[in-house]
Amino acid sequence: NAGVTQTPKFQVLKTGQSMTLQCAQDMNHNSMYWYRQDPGMGLRLIYYSASEGTTDKGEVPNGYNVSRLNKREFSLRLESAAPSQTSVYFCASSRPGQDSNQPQHFGDGTRLSIL
Amino acid sequence: ILNVEQSPQSLHVQEGDSTNFTCSFPSSNFYALHWYRWETAKSPEALFVMTLNGDEKKKGRISATLNTKEGYSYLYIKGSQPEDSATYLCACDNYGQNFVFGPGTRLSVLP
Repeated sequence: NAGVTQTPKFQVLKTGQSMTLQCAQDMNHNSMYWYRQDPGMGLRLIYYSASEGTTDKGEVPNGYNVSRLNKREFSLRLESAAPSQTSVYFCASSRPGQDSNQPQHFGDGTRLSIL
Repeated sequence: ILNVEQSPQSLHVQEGDSTNFTCSFPSSNFYALHWYRWETAKSPEALFVMTLNGDEKKKGRISATLNTKEGYSYLYIKGSQPEDSATYLCACDNYGQNFVFGPGTRLSVLP
């Protein structure tokens, strides 16, 4: 089992460029999440998808868009990258539900630098 | 947005010492509390999921307790080892929809 796979692992962009971060999970999880991690701030939720076909904003959605392509894949797009979006991005998935209390499973992260 | 706090922000202990740190969260509308261990350059790994007031979970030398009435959870490490060095995150589960993470406690265990 690969778990949660993120691509790419590293990327350097110029201000104004666009790119899409890819995330795929093979655990048949319903819910998927995108976080950013900045020094001293822990993990902050950008967007999440509770199930295939739905997406919702998290704490810091501005400047990002997401697509839940199917149950396995959840992509994060930066339309016009800004230096403030320099961060490490983590994708996660879980199988939530009132009776399951499942933890989230994380990918290895994408380190993104915007110059 | 839930506000989840952790203290201390960082901690240095000697090998063999026992230590503990705190996660605070709103006690109203509580659903579940998660603890994660996050080593540098790796992804967070789940340690515990806790749901009931008075819950106590244990995994080896690491244990956690939960008080949902007053809104806190403690994580304990007994006999710390250098391999325990990591950031420990707690996250409050908002009715199974999404998590709100605390900022983490960075633990360094000195040999």
